[in-house]
Order: sequence, then structure tokens, then C-alpha cells
Amino acid sequence: VQLVESGGDLVQPGGSLRLSCEVSGFTFSSHAMTWVRQGPGKGLEWVSGINGIGGSTYYTDSVNGRFTISRDNSKNTLYLQMNSLRADDTAIYYCARLVTGGWYMDSWGQGILVTVSS
Amino acid sequence: DIVLTQTPLSLSVTPGQPASISCKSNQSLLHSDGETYLYWYLQKAGQPPQVLIYEVSKRFSGVPDRFSGSGSGTDFTLKINRMEADDVGVYYCMQSLELPLTFGPGTKVEIK
Repeated sequence: VQLVESGGDLVQPGGSLRLSCEVSGFTFSSHAMTWVRQGPGKGLEWVSGINGIGGSTYYTDSVNGRFTISRDNSKNTLYLQMNSLRADDTAIYYCARLVTGGWYMDSWGQGILVTVSS
Repeated sequence: DIVLTQTPLSLSVTPGQPASISCKSNQSLLHSDGETYLYWYLQKAGQPPQVLIYEVSKRFSGVPDRFSGSGSGTDFTLKINRMEADDVGVYYCMQSLELPLTFGPGTKVEIK
């Protein structure tokens, strides 16, 4: 199982960024997926989740309306479109696979850094 | 949102000695299906988290048996039988009873 994030960058407040997470080693469409972030020196914060076929999406309140999670099962890729970025969105963003039933993360990417600063 | 609190927030343990971390929830994590959706993760320096324990007490594949989880309802405990150098890091409890998924603040465990 491998998950590899990309797309992290330095972006100005109010800007946009799209993160990608390419997976391999398992049947992507069979698993819900999620994004979790970790601010500098801080703990873990769940950001968003999506079911296996992409028909259901979920967000934490602080990103709802600004971030959009999606997936392309033909490309084995998970996405996070981030708009109206704020300084407090600065974090390492991890994509992770969710275990069916328990909805817990059993495999994680190495993470990608997003910095929001002028 | 479900709030998880952990104690202590930091811990220094002599190799070979036991360690214990508490996680308390502000509401029961028992689902109507009979499962309790409480998990434990370890994040080592510079790495993503790794799951240790799922559904309170079930050890994840490959996790050494010196790690054990217990508890019910709102009170949970992670125990390390005999601390080893490789166990250093930050331990988080997490709940998935309801969204948003939430984590405890983390307990930093060091070797004495």
C-alpha cells in the first residue's frame, strides 16, 4: 500500500491550491479516503472524507464551503481543492485510507506541506 | 463535536518500565451496533501517524504485544508493558463514532 501526496506550495491568503494523493497497492474504489492535517507543532485535525464511489463527502466546519474533496477512481487519485486559504490552513496535509466499517485510518501518506502566507 | 482529553500530556519512561496514557471522551463512544469506536495512534518524529489499537482493545496487524488498550464508554487507557526506545513519539487517541473525527491533544512519550 502506497499513498503519495503532491501539490503543496506556498500560497498567499485568499489563494487556492489543489492537493493530489496517488495510491497504489490496493483497490482504491473499495475504500473511503480522508485528509488529515497537522499545523506546525500542533496535533492532528481531521479535514475531510469521501466514500469509495465519491458520492458522499464530509468536512470539518472550518473548511466547509472552502475545500472540496473528490476522487478519480480510474486514476487511483484523491484530491483536495482548497480555496480562500487562510493562514491557519498552514499545515502538513496527510491523505489516508479509511477502514470500512470503523472509519479509521490504517494507511497514511508521508504528508505534504501547505503554507499560507503573504 | 466529541472532545477527547488525554492525560498526561507528557511522559518520561525508563526502558523496560510500563507506561499508561488515559483518554477520556465527553460522551460515550459506544455505537448502537455494539462496537466502541476509539483508536490509538503513535506518531514518531517526522513520520505520519500509525495505528496501534482499533476499537478500544484490538491490536493492529504488526503491533507488538507490549501495547494494549482497554476501557469502555468514555474512559480508555493505552498501556505499554515494557517501554522500548522505539516507542518514543506522540500518542493520540481518536474517535470515529461520529463526524467530525476528532483526536485527543496527544501525549508526548520520551525515554528517561
